Amino acid sequence: DVKVTQSSRYLVKRTGEKVFLECVQDMDHENMFWYRQDPGLGLRLIYFSYDVKMKEKGDIPEGYSVSREKKERFSLILESASTNQTSMYLCASSFSWDRRTYEQYFGPGTRLTVT
Amino acid sequence: SQQGEEDPQALSIQEGENATMNCSYKTSINNLQWYRQNSGRGLVHLILIRSNEREKHSGRLRVTLDTSKKSSSLLITASRAADTASYFCATVGFSGNTGKLIFGQGTTLQVKP
Repeated sequence: DVKVTQSSRYLVKRTGEKVFLECVQDMDHENMFWYRQDPGLGLRLIYFSYDVKMKEKGDIPEGYSVSREKKERFSLILESASTNQTSMYLCASSFSWDRRTYEQYFGPGTRLTVT
Repeated sequence: SQQGEEDPQALSIQEGENATMNCSYKTSINNLQWYRQNSGRGLVHLILIRSNEREKHSGRLRVTLDTSKKSSSLLITASRAADTASYFCATVGFSGNTGKLIFGQGTTLQVKP
């Protein structure tokens, strides 16, 4: 079974702190994604990566950066956390789209609260 | 940007009844997928239907796709309390060569025992 793990289930940080959210997948997937999920707004794509060291902005990249140094690991960084970044953060992975398979596999989520 | 819109937003049924959720989208798609999310957890992929398919089955799930109306429906037959969850449709478009998913807002299903 595909396994996508996230470093924390719950996280509480203070405004202005630098926050790292880590995601690891064990299926040798080329693509990895970071979403945030908010009530009434659904899932919104923050960043995605289709290869090591490659990244592309999603719909809401402002205030975030990402790092992918190894194929299995994709990190989301909040450079200076703000209260409006309080949310559920979901990581996902999938095979390369060249394979014409498009299913994404999700981690359990990290509920981040910024106070 | 949100493409899919699910209807209804919330659905409450008794165990054993069927549950139907609908999804509408705006642009041409390569495929449409349905995901389930249990409360406070990640999403789980349920089923994928390609744009050249009209119906697909998987266990108690039946998905239909009408590309002329830009809509899809998910039917869960003989529902169980364990089916209580939020259900999301997600579309993959034809733009570029990416398979980015665009999610709808979801339907919250409650199955009462």
